Amino acid sequence: DGGITQSPKYLFRKEGQNVTLSCEQNLNHDAMYWYRQDPGQGLRLIYYSQIVNDFQKGDIAEGYSVSREKKESFPLTVTSAQKNPTAFYLCASSIWGSGELFFGEGSRLTVL
Amino acid sequence: RKEVEQDPGPFNVPEGATVAFNCTYSNSASQSFFWYRQDCRKEPKLLMSVYSSGNEDGRFTAQLNRASQYISLLIRDSKLSDSATYLCVVYNTNAGKSTFGDGTTLTVKP
Repeated sequence: DGGITQSPKYLFRKEGQNVTLSCEQNLNHDAMYWYRQDPGQGLRLIYYSQIVNDFQKGDIAEGYSVSREKKESFPLTVTSAQKNPTAFYLCASSIWGSGELFFGEGSRLTVL
Repeated sequence: RKEVEQDPGPFNVPEGATVAFNCTYSNSASQSFFWYRQDCRKEPKLLMSVYSSGNEDGRFTAQLNRASQYISLLIRDSKLSDSATYLCVVYNTNAGKSTFGDGTTLTVKP
């Protein structure tokens, strides 16, 4: 079945540790996105990529990094520079220009 | 002012009620519009796209007013299973990214 797979679903880390969240899609979509959601709030864009080997900062990129070496994959690293990393992280993809987003099931990160 | 603003809610309605959600957006360059549904602790899922001509899918009707930069979602004959958070989303093709409202929570009670 086509879709987006995020892993891990739940992750616990100590303060000061970098964490990498995986996002893989087999929908052949060009565009991929990372969002963060805090309780009671909407989704905020961290980074997005329209094409392989290219990505742009979203609204809250500080403390995060990404790579796009393959069309199918868009991993997100939450670095120790991110002040409040505990959140629900959602990866999405879309056909470029369509605006219709397909989401993975999300990764819930808790920093202890 | 936020780029996309929704009714704060929450909306608590009895089964069978009609409920309407409103959303305004500030960026006139926004070109595509959507309503997503998000269940508690789950990922958002597309409910419907929104067109200027209006579109209907069963009990759900979405409307777009570009002049007023306003989007609406009407749910008729509410079911218990409609309980969720509804997210208004605008997409800017030039920027290549979507902006989400904070969502409106609906609880349908027996």
